Order: sequence, then structure tokens, then C-alpha cells
Amino acid sequence: GAVVSQHPSWVICKSGTSVKIECRSLDFQATTMFWYRQFPKQSLMLMATSNEGSKATYEQGVEKDKFLINHASLTLSTLTVTSAHPEDSSFYICSARQGALNEQFFGPGTRLTVL
Amino acid sequence: GENVEQHPSTLSVQEGDSAVIKCTYSDSASNYFPWYKQELGKGPQLIIDIRSNVGEKKDQRIAVTLNKTAKHFSLHITETQPEDSAVYFCAASYSGLVFGKGTKLTVNP
Repeated sequence: GAVVSQHPSWVICKSGTSVKIECRSLDFQATTMFWYRQFPKQSLMLMATSNEGSKATYEQGVEKDKFLINHASLTLSTLTVTSAHPEDSSFYICSARQGALNEQFFGPGTRLTVL
Repeated sequence: GENVEQHPSTLSVQEGDSAVIKCTYSDSASNYFPWYKQELGKGPQLIIDIRSNVGEKKDQRIAVTLNKTAKHFSLHITETQPEDSAVYFCAASYSGLVFGKGTKLTVNP
């Protein structure tokens, strides 16, 4: 149980285009989903927290107009990187939490490369 | 906010030896301490966790200890195997997770 999927697993796009990444909880309802970014050989940095049906809460320094997060259902959250630039190239990982429990289950990640 | 320090950043052991990774946290309100294993190009995988009302937890070759007074917790892997080689992250949580910087563990056959 507690499986989280992400799609796509990798994406290459041109500078200036937008990219959407999906995160799904496959066998449980996730009231809260988290989006992280991880640069090579670094730790995971929390970008934003989203609760189903509510606006996402962004961490300091993360541009909410650039990283659009939608959590429209209990099993799906999407992250859209708008007008992507090479510096947005990174490994984006989502996680999902059921109810008020602390456990977060992570997706396999999405490698974004912006040319 | 919470701050998590993790040491060492790299650890190399011989197969069969034990490995210990240590973390400290700053926020006494944190009550949940998971450990994740991340292999190259993959998402983190939860390997063990402990809550603040418990001092030690063990799962086969893996154990975690928590000292709430000192605000530190440790991961212990016994009888290491080459497939244990990966990056390990500790984290502390009251509501959201704050990660340590990671430890690259290499188990040499």
C-alpha cells in the first residue's frame, strides 16, 4: 500500500515553455501533498504544501506564479512550471500524506531538463 | 523553524560491518523522525521511522534511536550489504518534513 506515482518520469523542454507534472496517490486518499525540488547531490527542499481543495502554501523564496500547484482531488496534485528556464532544471519529487498522520510517501520523481 | 543537521556526509564501510548515521534537530515540537533511502535517480523510500514517545525501534538489520533531551536521533545498519549503498536522509517533522543534507553510504564488497 501507500504508493505514489508521478508522471512524467522525465521531460525535456525548450526555454519559455510550460511543463505540467502529475502526482497521484494510487491506493489512499491524500489530504495533503507536498512538492520538493532536489538539485544534484543535494537534499530535498520543500517548495510547497497543498491541501485538497485549498490554495497551496509556498515556502519562502518559491515563486507561486511560476510554480502553479493544483490539488483538485484527494488523489491528484499537479505542479506546472510556467515559462521554464534552464535554472529550473531539477529533480521534482512529490509526496502524499493521509489525514493528520505524519508519514509521507514519496513519488519516484520527475527529472526536468530545460534547454 | 526546524533545522536538521546530519553527519557524516559520506560513509564507507566494508560489507558486514555496521554503519551509523547521526542527526540533530532544533525544534523541540518535532515529534516524528523518519529515515529515507534514496538511490540514484529515484524518489526517497521510507526505511524506518520513530515517534517522540519511543526511544528505539528496530526492523531486522535497521534500528533507529531517539534522544529527545539531546534532540538527536541515529540510524544504525548492521551486517551491511552492497545493496545498502545509497544516500540516506534523516528528517524531522511537526507538520512538514525538514530533511538533513544526506549521507552517501558505500558498502564495499
